[in-house]
Amino acid sequence: AQSVAQPEDQVNVAEGNPLTVKCTYSVSGNPYLFWYVQYPNRGLQFLLKYITGDNLVKGSYGFEAEFNKSQTSFHLKKPSALVSDSALYFCAVRDPFLNDYKLSFGAGTTVTVRA
Amino acid sequence: DAGVTQSPTHLIKTRGQHVTLRCSPISGHKSVSWYQQVLGQGPQFIFQYYEKEERGRGNFPDRFSARQFPNYSSELNVNALLLGDSALYLCASSVGTSGSWMETQYFGPGTRLLVL
Repeated sequence: AQSVAQPEDQVNVAEGNPLTVKCTYSVSGNPYLFWYVQYPNRGLQFLLKYITGDNLVKGSYGFEAEFNKSQTSFHLKKPSALVSDSALYFCAVRDPFLNDYKLSFGAGTTVTVRA
Repeated sequence: DAGVTQSPTHLIKTRGQHVTLRCSPISGHKSVSWYQQVLGQGPQFIFQYYEKEERGRGNFPDRFSARQFPNYSSELNVNALLLGDSALYLCASSVGTSGSWMETQYFGPGTRLLVL
């Protein structure tokens, strides 16, 4: 079965400081990994994905994520956080080995960036 | 270009009733997926449709059903509503190339269902 874990329910950082949101995954084959962000009363917005190739993936709004196969992790990072980055962040995985098109999401991490 | 649209935005029903939620995918997208997001949790996969055929089903009871129309829009139907069905229902669309595991799913704003 495919699954992701987001070990931190909440992350609090000061504006201008680096932001990291953690994600670990479990799949049978090679994972396809995604990050989404959700603002209050909104749907999910796509940030970035890892399919293959370079372990450092760059995405929207200055976010990037690093794929680490040995640690089965896909942490989301931003070098300098903004107050507007305050939102709910979801990591998701798809395992093509399962012949299954569904995305499996983590429980989410609430990010609060204080001014 | 318009994104994924869903209707209605909010809905209040009572236990035992039936509900129909609607989704229009991004123009050119042929695949639609439905997810249920209960407060405080991540979205849970319900269905995926591609070219009007069900391509995947999550662990939901038979009270949940869906269909996709020739214009690729989709409906999610839930019968005999329970209090536990209260959630945000998200629709996502993707290009839908057959066998493409790498595709990004783009989500709509959701329909918030409250069952009393």
